[in-house]
Amino acid sequence: QVQLQQWGGGLLKPSETLSLTCGLYGGSFSNFYWSWIRQSPGNGLEWIGEIDYSGTTNYNPSLKSRVSISIDTSKNHFSLKVMSVNAEDTALYYCARGGTTMSPAGRFDPWGQGTPVTVSS
Amino acid sequence: DIQMTQSPSSLSASVGDRVTITCRASQSLKNYLNWYQHKPGQAPKVLIYGASSLQSGVPPRFSGSGSGSDFTLTISGLQPEDFATYYCQQSYSPPFTFGPGTKVDVK
Repeated sequence: QVQLQQWGGGLLKPSETLSLTCGLYGGSFSNFYWSWIRQSPGNGLEWIGEIDYSGTTNYNPSLKSRVSISIDTSKNHFSLKVMSVNAEDTALYYCARGGTTMSPAGRFDPWGQGTPVTVSS
Repeated sequence: DIQMTQSPSSLSASVGDRVTITCRASQSLKNYLNWYQHKPGQAPKVLIYGASSLQSGVPPRFSGSGSGSDFTLTISGLQPEDFATYYCQQSYSPPFTFGPGTKVDVK
C-alpha cells in the first residue's frame, strides 16, 4: 500500500525559504505525477505543482516564480521549496500522488498527513 | 484557470438523510471531476473520480453524476462518519483547481 509521509515546515519569517519533503513508502515513483497542495483559510485548497519520476514539472502560474519541486528517486522522496515566503504562504501543506504520466488527469490519492507552515515575523 | 463553484457552502442534515452537493466549472471538464471528503486533522480522501467512478473502499452510499460543467455528489443515507467538508476538483487541465467546499454538519 502506497503511503506518503511529510516532514519539514514549521515557523518561518517573511522572506525565508520554505522547505518540505515527502517520502514515498510501499510504491514507486514511476508512471505517476507527484503533487504539492496547500490549504489556507483564505484560499481553500490550492494546487502548487507536480513532478514526475523523470523530473518534469508543472507549476501553478500563481506561484511559479517562487516555487521549485524536485525529486530524488534514490532516496524515495520529493521536495518543495517556496522562496521569499510571506504571511499568505501560511497554510497546511500536503503532498499527494496524482495522475499517471499516460493519463495525467487523475485524482489525488493518497495524500501525506499534512504539515503546518506559519509565516510570521 | 478553470474556476470551480459549489453549492451550498454549508448544509445541516440528519443521519439517514439524502444529501446532494452541486459543483459547477467555468468550462467543460468532460468527466474530469473528482470529489473529496475532508475531516479536521486528516488528509482529504477521494470518494469519486472521473465524475462517477467510486474509489475503492468507499461505501456505495456515495455517488457522483454529471459531465461537462455541472456535477453532483449524492450521499444516500447520511451516516455519522459522513459529517465533513466536501470538495470537488477538476483534473481536466492544470492548474488543477478545487471548489470552495461544502460543509455538512449535524442538524
